[in-house]
Amino acid sequence: QVQLVESGGGVVLPGSSLRLSCAASGFTFGSYAMHWVRQTPGRGLDWVALISYDGDDEYYADSVRGRFIVSRDSPRNTLYLQMNNLRAEDTALYFCARARYCTSDDCYGNFYMADWGKGTPVTVSS
Amino acid sequence: QSVLTQPPSVSGAPGQRITISCTGSSSNIGAHYDVHWYQQHPGRVPKLLIFGDKYRPSGVPERFSGSKSGTSASLAISGLQAEDEADYYCQSYDSNLRGSVFGGGTKLTVL
Repeated sequence: QVQLVESGGGVVLPGSSLRLSCAASGFTFGSYAMHWVRQTPGRGLDWVALISYDGDDEYYADSVRGRFIVSRDSPRNTLYLQMNNLRAEDTALYFCARARYCTSDDCYGNFYMADWGKGTPVTVSS
Repeated sequence: QSVLTQPPSVSGAPGQRITISCTGSSSNIGAHYDVHWYQQHPGRVPKLLIFGDKYRPSGVPERFSGSKSGTSASLAISGLQAEDEADYYCQSYDSNLRGSVFGGGTKLTVL
């Protein structure tokens, strides 16, 4: 079955960098776009970034654009999130998720998060 | 403040039917983008409940249904059960933001 395992989270100072990884298994990683989503403790979900199946296209939330970079290594079945110039408001549990879209005739076809990892926590604090 | 607006909380008695609304605008739900719904139990990972406005992934009970009209979408849960107590989130795409957007989440309490 689909398995997504995030790693790389930790406690860092404001202005620091961190790279998260997401190891994928149970599906053909190179055939699927992938999301990063975060959740602040006790609060809601916040979409962070999407990378296309082939890595050619990247999309970011306004709050992280210019500071975060999403990438993938398909031979290694691994997704990454390079987070630079971290701020206190980036403190959250970071999930990776496999992207899929509805293929029915009456669907528009925008992505959803079909499968989720358990997340890796990031704390930015002085 | 979330792009998609959900009520913070709803409640219902076992066996009842409840609905959770998700209100957007002309750049997301009103632009006909699909709405998706997730269920998250405390301390657990979000789980896909509804995709493409109304489609259920395999394994999701028929008690859960989704609909969309204009700039709003709704999740309905019939025959409410204690295990349905969880947080529920809607998600879509916004053409102005050029990315996915979530609702703020709704906490369902089964009385």
